Amino acid sequence: EADIYQTPRYLVIGTGKKITLECSQTMGHDKMYWYQQDPGMELHLIHYSYGVNSTEKGDLSSESTVSRIRTEHFPLTLESARPSHTSQYLCASSGRGLAGEQYFGPGTRLTVT
Amino acid sequence: AQSVTQPDIHITVSEGASLELRCNYSYGATPYLFWYVQSPGQGLQLLLKYFSGDTLVQGIKGFEAEFKRSQSSFNLRKPSVHWSDAAEYFCAVRSGGSYIPTFGRGTSLIVHP
Repeated sequence: EADIYQTPRYLVIGTGKKITLECSQTMGHDKMYWYQQDPGMELHLIHYSYGVNSTEKGDLSSESTVSRIRTEHFPLTLESARPSHTSQYLCASSGRGLAGEQYFGPGTRLTVT
Repeated sequence: AQSVTQPDIHITVSEGASLELRCNYSYGATPYLFWYVQSPGQGLQLLLKYFSGDTLVQGIKGFEAEFKRSQSSFNLRKPSVHWSDAAEYFCAVRSGGSYIPTFGRGTSLIVHP
């Protein structure tokens, strides 16, 4: 059973606020990812990390930032939230298995008013 | 570059009927292929994966998929659908040289009683 956690599950916040979405995994996976997904839509990769102190931007331009100071932790920060940031954010991780499949957290549903 | 096509945006089936969800990919070498399921408001759960060996793979919840190299397809099947199978299904492919998968746009499965 994969163990990857995201908090909060739901967040409603006003424009201009700084927020951090938390993601942690207990599987010792070296690779972690953040996706943005609007309801019923495809996934867009916004950030990924191949290990501690390694972070890269994904395909979708995002005003968020990430850090990877510990293997198990990959938080995403929005310095100044805007209504256009309203979306679902999914965190995932993958290990050194042959297929390299990803394991996903339950997601954070963010609404910016 | 790799790409994934899920030609059906919505599929409606009756409970107890068989199911096939289509997935076509574009990639030159043998790809790593995945099917994920997403229930409303949740993250993605891995159903099954293929990266080598037997081209018919079994997954969780009674699903199976068949890799057909000649057709560049990896279709998902289930012989008898249950109402709890109603969800969004995503096909994904990645190359051997990247840990980043490409996801399809998803197929929404509706199950009628």
